[in-house]
Amino acid sequence: TAGITQAPTSQILAAGRSMTLRCTQDMRHNAMYWYRQDLGLGLRLIHYSNTAGTTGKGEVPDGYSVSRANTDDFPLTLASAVPSQTSVYFCASSERASGANVLTFGAGSRLTVL
Amino acid sequence: GQNIDQPTEMTATEGAIVQINCTYQTSGFNGLFWYQQHAGEAPTFLSYNVLDGLEEKGRFSSFLSRSKGYSYLLLKELQMKDSASYLCAVSTDDYKLSFGAGTTVTVRA
Repeated sequence: TAGITQAPTSQILAAGRSMTLRCTQDMRHNAMYWYRQDLGLGLRLIHYSNTAGTTGKGEVPDGYSVSRANTDDFPLTLASAVPSQTSVYFCASSERASGANVLTFGAGSRLTVL
Repeated sequence: GQNIDQPTEMTATEGAIVQINCTYQTSGFNGLFWYQQHAGEAPTFLSYNVLDGLEEKGRFSSFLSRSKGYSYLLLKELQMKDSASYLCAVSTDDYKLSFGAGTTVTVRA
């Protein structure tokens, strides 16, 4: 089934450790995004990429980094995890970065930092 | 920052109608989206409005008034499977989506 694959589904991480959340799409979408979802706060944009080779900062980028080496992959890295990064992380993509850019979401990665 | 408000929770009976309101104050406006999210699952696209008026899609309709910074999602003939969170999202000046916190709708038999 076409769509977005995220890994891992769930992870428990010790504070101070690094972690990379993987995201792969097979729809040849130009734009990709990383959101975090916390109870009562809704989805907040961490980083985005309008097209392969470019990235940008969203609303809550501190403590996270991304890369977009090709169209399909958009990994999110936490260099040194802190408990406030405990959240559910959703990767999303859209055909274009402007206009009626409908987002398709992955199933999410639940991260717990202790 | 962006300000997108929607009620936290709503409860309705199977077969009834529920209207979820969303008000927004954002930096620019390039359209308003509604997404549905079942517990433990990914959000899925429901509707998109960029011009004022009503868009109808089966049992779901979405309305937009840009001058009032207001939208609503109307769910008709409610079914148990409609129990979910409904997310209002605004495409702002850089075409990035800012989301409200979501409205949890519980459908009772």
